[in-house]
Amino acid sequence: KNEVEQSPQNLTAQEGEFITINCSYSVGISALHWLQQHPGGGIVSLFMLSSGKKKHGRLIATINIQEKHSSLHITASHPRDSAVYICAVDGGAGSYQLTFGKGTKLSVIP
Amino acid sequence: ETGVTQTPRHLVMGMTNKKSLKCEQHLGHNAMYWYKQSAKKPLELMFVYNFKEQTENNSVPSRFSPECPNSSHLFLHLHTLQPEDSALYLCASSQAIEGGYTFGSGTRLTVV
Repeated sequence: KNEVEQSPQNLTAQEGEFITINCSYSVGISALHWLQQHPGGGIVSLFMLSSGKKKHGRLIATINIQEKHSSLHITASHPRDSAVYICAVDGGAGSYQLTFGKGTKLSVIP
Repeated sequence: ETGVTQTPRHLVMGMTNKKSLKCEQHLGHNAMYWYKQSAKKPLELMFVYNFKEQTENNSVPSRFSPECPNSSHLFLHLHTLQPEDSALYLCASSQAIEGGYTFGSGTRLTVV
């Protein structure tokens, strides 16, 4: 069973700061997902990664397969970025199961 | 709207009630999922349907009963629930193992 650890659990930042959220996992995977959950509960998929780096607007996600580690970066953070960010890993090999981290709660203060 | 619609958004039910949660997607995805999110815990997979066939059942109590009549609709039938079943229930869909996931907005369930 894959263990997914996220850090930090909580993060408070001033508007404009550069933010990094980390995710590590214990067993090899086929893909890693970064998800965003707003207070209402709905979840939005931000990235799906199997190698390298992806960028979308102010968000950047990287993954190092050898080190079993991924990071989510937010540049020029804004209060609307306040949410819980969740890392999830996909074991592949015919499995439809995602294993989720506990999430990182981000608060961006104006 | 993400393309996956869940109803109702909020539900309060007594322990002896029977209710159903509904999930609908018209994204052409062939896999649909029920997840449970309890306070301060990671999301937990409950059920997976792939091409309308149940492929995963993660030791979920029988008081939760899924139904997938077609590849666009998924139900979760609830009966004689316990207060500890109060949680956010999320539906998701994906095209295939390699595909990204699309989540619904969830149903916030309170069992009284």
